[in-house]
Amino acid sequence: SQTIHQWPATLVQPVGSPLSLECTVEGTSNPNLYWYRQAAGRGLQLLFYSVGIGQISSEVPQNLSASRPQDRQFILSSKKLLLSDSGFYLCASEREGNNEQFFGPGTRLTVL
Amino acid sequence: AQTVTQSQPEMSVQEAETVTLSCTYDTSESNYYLFWYKQPPSRQMILVIRQEAYKQQNATENRFSVNFQKAAKSFSLKISDSQLGDTAMYFCAFRGTGTASKLTFGTGTRLQVTL
Repeated sequence: SQTIHQWPATLVQPVGSPLSLECTVEGTSNPNLYWYRQAAGRGLQLLFYSVGIGQISSEVPQNLSASRPQDRQFILSSKKLLLSDSGFYLCASEREGNNEQFFGPGTRLTVL
Repeated sequence: AQTVTQSQPEMSVQEAETVTLSCTYDTSESNYYLFWYKQPPSRQMILVIRQEAYKQQNATENRFSVNFQKAAKSFSLKISDSQLGDTAMYFCAFRGTGTASKLTFGTGTRLQVTL
């Protein structure tokens, strides 16, 4: 089975600072990878997904960007954080052709 | 675009009892996948059960089962013999059949299992 790692687990950043959240996957090759954000008390909203190295699709226009430098590594970034970027960020991995997404433990981001 | 609706923000059930969580969805696709995820206080999203729309048989995983009504676009989750560890937020989610397709989530139902 696949294991999804995310770090850091918790992050407090000032407005205007950069951001880098990392997600790595073990136990599968060439997965589809996803970044979701969950606002407090709400469901998840898809931010980005990737079907392979260097292939990124964005779901919503925003202050964030994503990259996939390696097959099992997915990075969420920002050059300048906004207050509205606060939230719980979850990375998900899906085996090719499997249609089930499994989630990492998440990163709680607070922008002050 | 697909939408997923969970009309029960909160529910409570006594230990060992059975509870049903409701979910409806809207889509124009004929084939798709439906999921229930559990999010305990740790906030880890845990896949509970999945249903493929082209399968008429309702999915079952131990104490968890679904009632999938395709024509009514309804996908409810039944938890039998509820346990304290079932206390969590439960999210219903829809996935299309594309190569990489997002999950569209409902707003969740908070389930509290009491003694």
